[in-house]
Amino acid sequence: EADIYQTPRYLVIGTGKKITLECSQTMGHDKMYWYQQDPGMELHLIHYSYGVNSTEKGDLSSESTVSRIRTEHFPLTLESARPSHTSQYLCASSEGGRAQPQHFGDGTRLSIL
Amino acid sequence: GQQLNQSPQSMFIQEGEDVSMNCTSSSIFNTWLWYKQDPGEGPVLLIALYKAGELTSNGRLTAQFGITRKDSFLNISASIPSDVGIYFCAAFTGANSKLTFGKGITLSVRP
Repeated sequence: EADIYQTPRYLVIGTGKKITLECSQTMGHDKMYWYQQDPGMELHLIHYSYGVNSTEKGDLSSESTVSRIRTEHFPLTLESARPSHTSQYLCASSEGGRAQPQHFGDGTRLSIL
Repeated sequence: GQQLNQSPQSMFIQEGEDVSMNCTSSSIFNTWLWYKQDPGEGPVLLIALYKAGELTSNGRLTAQFGITRKDSFLNISASIPSDVGIYFCAAFTGANSKLTFGKGITLSVRP
């Protein structure tokens, strides 16, 4: 089992609030990722990082931002939450090098009222 | 863009039956992965395939990397109720390390 942790697991919050979703991994993986997934649907990459101080936007445009100050930590922030941000957010990590399988956390299910 | 096609969207089988799922693309990929996602959880890696033609097993699961590099299949034998979930294929090209995912197949197993 991969050691990657996401908190909170569930969050229900009002519009306009600032939110930070936490993701930590204890495997020393260089690469980390954030995906957005609506229930029963495919995964869409919204952010990724190949190492400390490196962040890139993914294939799906997102109003969220990320930071990578430490190898093990890759938080995602929404400055002002809106109902359209309601979704499940999945964090993943992988070893450096090409084509390494990604290991996922259990996700944060976010509901914006 | 690169797409992975999984169909049908849902499959319903009887406990004890075997089931096979395909994942196809018009693009060539160098690594294929199969994940399973249970409700309310993140995807869990089932099998990774690194070489065209490779056939790999993990318990009752068997997956193959197609010889054309454009497809892969996953077979589950003697299904049990805990096989219920969404099965995603995913693949890497050699160009970058970004993973492309299929839309998933929801498997239901009737006792």
